[in-house]
Amino acid sequence: SQKIEQNSEALNIQEGKTATLTCNYTNYSPAYLQWYRQDPGRGPVFLLLIRENEKEKRKERLKVTFDTTLKQSLFHITASQPADSATYLCALLNQGGKLIFGQGTELSVKP
Amino acid sequence: GAGVSQSPSNKVTEKGKDVELRCDPISGHTALYWYRQSLGQGLEFLIYFQGNSAPDKSGLPSDRFSAERTGGSVSTLTIQRTQQEDSAVYLCASSLEGLRVSGELFFGEGSRLTVL
Repeated sequence: SQKIEQNSEALNIQEGKTATLTCNYTNYSPAYLQWYRQDPGRGPVFLLLIRENEKEKRKERLKVTFDTTLKQSLFHITASQPADSATYLCALLNQGGKLIFGQGTELSVKP
Repeated sequence: GAGVSQSPSNKVTEKGKDVELRCDPISGHTALYWYRQSLGQGLEFLIYFQGNSAPDKSGLPSDRFSAERTGGSVSTLTIQRTQQEDSAVYLCASSLEGLRVSGELFFGEGSRLTVL
C-alpha cells in the first residue's frame, strides 16, 4: 500500500543546533515533494519544493534533500531558533495529481 | 484580503444537523482544495477543483459530504447529517495553477467543526 511517513515522535533540540526531520514514502513515484510549516491553530505554510531530478534545495537556513532511490526526503534547519518550533509536514504529488501529506513531526527548539 | 479566507472559524453543531463551510480563495487562483485534519493527524484530501474541469471528489469520505465552487471562486463544503467522527479542522487551500504545473498551496486558517 502507499504510505508517506514522518517521525511521529516530537523532536526536541537545543537552540543553535541543526534540526533534521525525515519523510519516507513507499509505492509512490512523486514528481516533487514539498515541506510545510504548521503552527498550532493555523493553516500550513509552504516552505520548499524539491523536484525528482533535484538532489538538494536551500532557502536561508533551510535545506531539503530528496533521494528517490531511498524514497526519502530530509529537511534540515541550521542554527535553529525557538521561533522554529512548529509542526513540519511533508507532502508529495501522487500520480493521480493529488498532494498527499504526512502526519507531521513536531519540532521544539529550547533556548 | 490577500489570503485564503474561511468561515466560520469555529462551528459547534449537534449530531444530525447539516453544516456549510465556506472558502474564499486568493483572487486569480484557479485551483481549490479541501482537506480535513483530525486532532494530531496529517491532512486528509477531500476534494479538488481545477478551473472548469469536473472536480476530483475521490477523497470525500461518504455521500454526506459534498462541495461546490461557484463562478470559479468561492467554494462551499456541505456536510449533511453530521456525525461525531466528522469533528475536525477543515482546511481550504488554493493555488495559482494546478498541482502538476505549480506546487505551492496557500492555506486558510481552517474551520474547526465540533459535533456534539
